[in-house]
Amino acid sequence: GAVVSQHPSRVICKSGTSVKIECRSLDFQATTMFWYRQFPKQSLMLMATSNEGSKATYEQGVEKDKFLINHASLTLSTLTVTSAHPEDSSFYICSAHKTGARDTQYFGPGTRLTVL
Amino acid sequence: AQSVAQPEDQVNVAEGNPLTVKCTYSVSGNPYLFWYVQYPNRGLQFLLKYITGDNLVKGSYGFEAEFNKSQTSFHLKKPSALVSDSALYFCAVTVNAGNMLTFGGGTRLMVKP
Repeated sequence: GAVVSQHPSRVICKSGTSVKIECRSLDFQATTMFWYRQFPKQSLMLMATSNEGSKATYEQGVEKDKFLINHASLTLSTLTVTSAHPEDSSFYICSAHKTGARDTQYFGPGTRLTVL
Repeated sequence: AQSVAQPEDQVNVAEGNPLTVKCTYSVSGNPYLFWYVQYPNRGLQFLLKYITGDNLVKGSYGFEAEFNKSQTSFHLKKPSALVSDSALYFCAVTVNAGNMLTFGGGTRLMVKP
């Protein structure tokens, strides 16, 4: 089966610093990856759609300059939370779209961000 | 550890017929259960969730899901399928608000006219 990894799985940082989260498709190529944020007691919120070689498409209300997304290759997308604040503390989950016979998306295990 | 299984890669239904997309889960504790839908080239959209209360949960677009604790299932249902319901459906579970969601492998629903 297809595997998507995220690194780090857990990160604690100070307010004002930047944090980079990596999402990798380990055994398939993904032209499209999605970044989600999970809120306590709530469902996922789609933050942006990441397309390899082009700019990410952000959902309404998501600050592009704060959540920088780079999809530099067919197996790697990164999310950088810039100037993090405590309200940015959350789970961040990525998924990678795999085309083919089983056209679906595979989810990473998530990254828990805690901003002090 | 928590896990979700969607045993069917694809479900085919004729328009107007009832549909069921199956989901079973495994958690330690009381589950929070979710269904999401993905249309082509789009991210996930929330359909419905079960936290507590009535076992039958109603959601968007006429979908509903029934929580069955004894069978550890949360099957998605709709009384009358539409061609526009054709999409990928994902079931997800977490054990409490503090844990990350775990997703099933997804089920492709094909509704034919």
